[in-house]
Amino acid sequence: KNEVEQSPQNLTAQEGEFITINCSYSVGISALHWLQQHPGGGIVSLFMLSSGKKKHGRLIATINIQEKHSSLHITASHPRDSAVYICAVSQETSGSRLTFGEGTQLTVNP
Amino acid sequence: NAGVTQTPKFRILKIGQSMTLQCTQDMNHNYMYWYRQDPGMGLKLIYYSVGAGITDKGEVPNGYNVSRSTTEDFPLRLELAAPSQTSVYFCASSYGTGGGVMQPQHFGDGTRLSIL
Repeated sequence: KNEVEQSPQNLTAQEGEFITINCSYSVGISALHWLQQHPGGGIVSLFMLSSGKKKHGRLIATINIQEKHSSLHITASHPRDSAVYICAVSQETSGSRLTFGEGTQLTVNP
Repeated sequence: NAGVTQTPKFRILKIGQSMTLQCTQDMNHNYMYWYRQDPGMGLKLIYYSVGAGITDKGEVPNGYNVSRSTTEDFPLRLELAAPSQTSVYFCASSYGTGGGVMQPQHFGDGTRLSIL
């Protein structure tokens, strides 16, 4: 079993829908990261959080430390949101090194 | 700002050849990382560095070497290319301290490497 599990693996939505991607982890962490990988391959950090909730535009990330679970929400989805979304954790014992989930492929159709 | 720059973007190697993947960053980050990404799998850490002159192995270091002679540069060396090293390679950098201060990682655009 991977230390970081994401669901679903693939997600197709219609433009305007509310989207949720889930991430569960089985290790102690100092921070959880959400990353976006564009169709061209580039990777961008969206959020780094260790508690509570963060919001940036239409994206919201939440984390529940007790349940070892995080969610990434996209409101009013748009075709330009189509990308792979990756959850990663900084483990308590490994400093800044990240352990990655396998990613969620999101496709938003117009 | 250039951020993290990787060269080349694409390369095809024959089995047994060697090459160096270049990575440079202009953000004065002390931490740098090399990852590989295989289809359907999460990124795996190959090597990392917490500062000039200091490097350490990640999850999948076999077949690779690194050096960190300056803060800006962190090249990855493949000595004897094997088909199992066909992958997309990402370099990343971040600022951090041993006391637990950490900032998000910045990634390069990747190098797509095929070993035939």
